[in-house]
Amino acid sequence: QVQLVESGGGVVQSGRSLRLSCAASGFTFNRYAMHWVRQAPGKGLEWVALISNEDGSDKYYEDSVKGRFTISRDNSKNTLYLEMNSLRAEDTAVYYCAKDGFCRGGGCYPNFFDSWGQGTLVTVSS
Amino acid sequence: QSALTQPASVSGSPGQSITISCTGSSSDVGGYRYVSWYQHHPGKAPKVMIYDVSNRPSGVPDRFSGSKSGNTASLTISGLQAEDEADYYCSSYTSRGTRVFGGGTKLTVL
Repeated sequence: QVQLVESGGGVVQSGRSLRLSCAASGFTFNRYAMHWVRQAPGKGLEWVALISNEDGSDKYYEDSVKGRFTISRDNSKNTLYLEMNSLRAEDTAVYYCAKDGFCRGGGCYPNFFDSWGQGTLVTVSS
Repeated sequence: QSALTQPASVSGSPGQSITISCTGSSSDVGGYRYVSWYQHHPGKAPKVMIYDVSNRPSGVPDRFSGSKSGNTASLTISGLQAEDEADYYCSSYTSRGTRVFGGGTKLTVL
């Protein structure tokens, strides 16, 4: 079955950088777009970034992270990444990776978060 | 991108039905069929309950149903059970190619 395991979270000072990883298994990784979603303490879910399937040439970002965060993928390693620079206190959150949609019976159903990891906590200290 | 609007909380007794609304705009909820709903128990991974406005993934009970009218989508849970108590979020594709979530609704089963 689909498994997504995030890693790389921790405590980091404001202004510094951190790279998150998401190891995927149980599905054909390169076939699917992938997302990062976060949840700040006591807050709701917030979509962060999307990378297209195959070569990952299309990338989209939430406005508050644009220019600071970079999403990427390594299909040879079945791994999704989120490079986070110039971190701010408001970036403190649990970060989840999520698989976009599913394909079955010759048809694909995109544009929703089909499977999620357990999340990794990023704490930005000032 | 502003978050979609959901009620902060709803409640119901076991066996009753509740509906959670999710209001956006013509640039997201109203413009596309890509509205989905997620159940989130604290400390666990979110779980998709509805995709494409009204489709249920395999394994999701048929007590959960979704609909949309104009810029507002709705999630209805009938025959409420104790294990339905959780936070619920709607999400939509947007005209910019991004995604947006609702603020979340806390469901309490009385």
